[in-house]
Amino acid sequence: RKEVEQDPGPFNVPEGATVAFNCTYSNSASQSFFWYRQDCRKEPKLLMSVYSSGNEDGRFTAQLNRASQYISLLIRDSKLSDSATYLCVVRRPPLGGGTSYGKLTFGQGTILTVHP
Amino acid sequence: DAGITQSPRYKITETGRQVTLMCHQTWSHSYMFWYRQDLGHGLRLIYYSAAADITDKGEVPDGYVVSRSKTENFPLTLESATRSQTSVYFCASSLTSGGGRDTQYFGPGTRLTVL
Repeated sequence: RKEVEQDPGPFNVPEGATVAFNCTYSNSASQSFFWYRQDCRKEPKLLMSVYSSGNEDGRFTAQLNRASQYISLLIRDSKLSDSATYLCVVRRPPLGGGTSYGKLTFGQGTILTVHP
Repeated sequence: DAGITQSPRYKITETGRQVTLMCHQTWSHSYMFWYRQDLGHGLRLIYYSAAADITDKGEVPDGYVVSRSKTENFPLTLESATRSQTSVYFCASSLTSGGGRDTQYFGPGTRLTVL
């Protein structure tokens, strides 16, 4: 089982639609959660962190369910500019001290295309 | 605010040649990372560095060498390039080892083709 799994899509939605992506993770010790956005042939960019109580940033809402080990991203009122690949990212705590770091594990991404 | 930059942005080389990809960050972040991204594999960590002169292997380190003599630079060298190393390479950095909401920020990438 992959550490982080996402539905690859593609999701094709019209402008103004609401679309939701889900992501599951296997490591129950995972500590922090993020959604990144990656445009075609560009670098991944942080979209938002995911808080335990859920959080909203404009048209974007992220939810975390630790018991079921899944994360979701809801996009309301989709824009053409939302077309991108959305990466679910999970971080485990640093293993041991010293220079260890909290490893980020990236899902393979969900492709979203918003059309006129 | 330059952030994190990579050079070259595109590189074509031949099998067996040595290639160095450069990464520079202006944030004074302690941690720096090299990833490669391939279809079907997503982002995979090659090497990371916690500070100057401290580096460690990631998931796919074979065939790569890194160094970090200065905090702001983290070059990645392919000692003898192979076709399987054709990929997009991303450098990233983070302020800390990953506490709280700290996360990694990526450079624009280097698209490497090995013929």
